[in-house]
Amino acid sequence: EAGVVQSPRYKIIEKKQPVAFWCNPISGHNTLYWYRQNLGQGPELLIRYENEEAVDDSQLPKDRFSAERLKGVDSTLKIQPAELGDSAVYLCASSPSGRDLLDQYFGPGTRLLVL
Amino acid sequence: RKEVEQDPGPFNVPEGATVAFNCTYSNSASQSFFWYRQDCRKEPKLLMSVYSSGNEDGRFTAQLNRASQYISLLIRDSKLSDSATYLCVVSGGKLIFGQGTELSVKP
Repeated sequence: EAGVVQSPRYKIIEKKQPVAFWCNPISGHNTLYWYRQNLGQGPELLIRYENEEAVDDSQLPKDRFSAERLKGVDSTLKIQPAELGDSAVYLCASSPSGRDLLDQYFGPGTRLLVL
Repeated sequence: RKEVEQDPGPFNVPEGATVAFNCTYSNSASQSFFWYRQDCRKEPKLLMSVYSSGNEDGRFTAQLNRASQYISLLIRDSKLSDSATYLCVVSGGKLIFGQGTELSVKP
């Protein structure tokens, strides 16, 4: 069974440029999470989707970050414009439902470097 | 104050050593507790859950003290393959990760 797929794996951009990350969760998983992991820190939740609905986006910096999961399957996270401080690993995770936090599987992440 | 705080690393230990990681959390309403392992440039993976009664999985023992809001992980007879970052995770509806403690096991 395929795991959580993310692309691209690496991205280097200049500040003020836009960037987008894509995530395809495990088939049948209704809950999708986006995390940001800064160097030397643990992952921090940015947004959680239950199917196509964003049920927790309290940590998403809404001035420059946006996310969508239009058909309740794959998802895109966008930053526009990117800032130097956005350099981090962006992790996507999925679970069958939001009830069991243990059943959360992480993708390999997208490493973003903003110059 | 961070919600979840761990021992600053890195820990450098020889093979066969016993090593203990400590973690404290600030939200007394937290419901579930875990340890995750993250290898260099890889995603985090669940290592084990933590219960008040303590739980053991082979060389790994996890303990929870709710009164002190303290979580620990003990690794006995450490192996080279145990080298990784260990993340303390607390849940109160969503996963809240500590900053991680890096372990390096040397021959």
